[in-house]
Amino acid sequence: NAGVMQNPRHLVRRRGQEARLRCSPMKGHSHVYWYRQLPEEGLKFMVYLQKENIIDESGMPKERFSAEFPKEGPSILRIQQVVRGDSAAYFCASSRSPTYNEQFFGPGTRLTVL
Amino acid sequence: DAKTTQPNSMESNEEEPVHLPCNHSTISGTDYIHWYRQLPSQGPEYVIHGLTSNVNNRMASLAIAEDRKSSTLILHRATLRDAAVYYCILRISNFGNEKLTFGTGTRLTIIP
Repeated sequence: NAGVMQNPRHLVRRRGQEARLRCSPMKGHSHVYWYRQLPEEGLKFMVYLQKENIIDESGMPKERFSAEFPKEGPSILRIQQVVRGDSAAYFCASSRSPTYNEQFFGPGTRLTVL
Repeated sequence: DAKTTQPNSMESNEEEPVHLPCNHSTISGTDYIHWYRQLPSQGPEYVIHGLTSNVNNRMASLAIAEDRKSSTLILHRATLRDAAVYYCILRISNFGNEKLTFGTGTRLTIIP
């Protein structure tokens, strides 16, 4: 049973480009969370999605960031016009249901903005 | 989520027990105590959780104070693979949203 998959594992972008981060949840999981981790800091919640719905985006920056979790395919975190401050590790986690206590995390995507 | 306080770092010798403390003096009656750990260059990994009673699983034990204002994660016999940052997280049993609020955690170093 494959775990949470994220790709790419490493992504380099120049300022002003777009970054697309993909997350495939574990089989049978329909709830996805995105977190961001700056160097030497803990993870910060960004957005919580269920299939085709954004449930909580209170941690998402108001501009340039968007997320989706379509009926088919992986969840996508999209960052437009990246800036150096976007350089971080982005982790997604999935769970079977809101009442399920354990979140399963992927290996993360490390974004570097030049 | 209510706030937790953990030491920044701890060291322990290999094959000895490790007690990782967490203070959560503002915990409310519906907050669950969760522990996750993050090994170097990896995503966090669930360790254990509890509400009021002490809990055991294959990875660790969780001892919860009677007043629930503090808890201790116990690794019974530390190995080098247990070197990680350990996060103590309080989570409201909110069926609408189960997001996790991470603090800075405790960086555990295991000495061979």
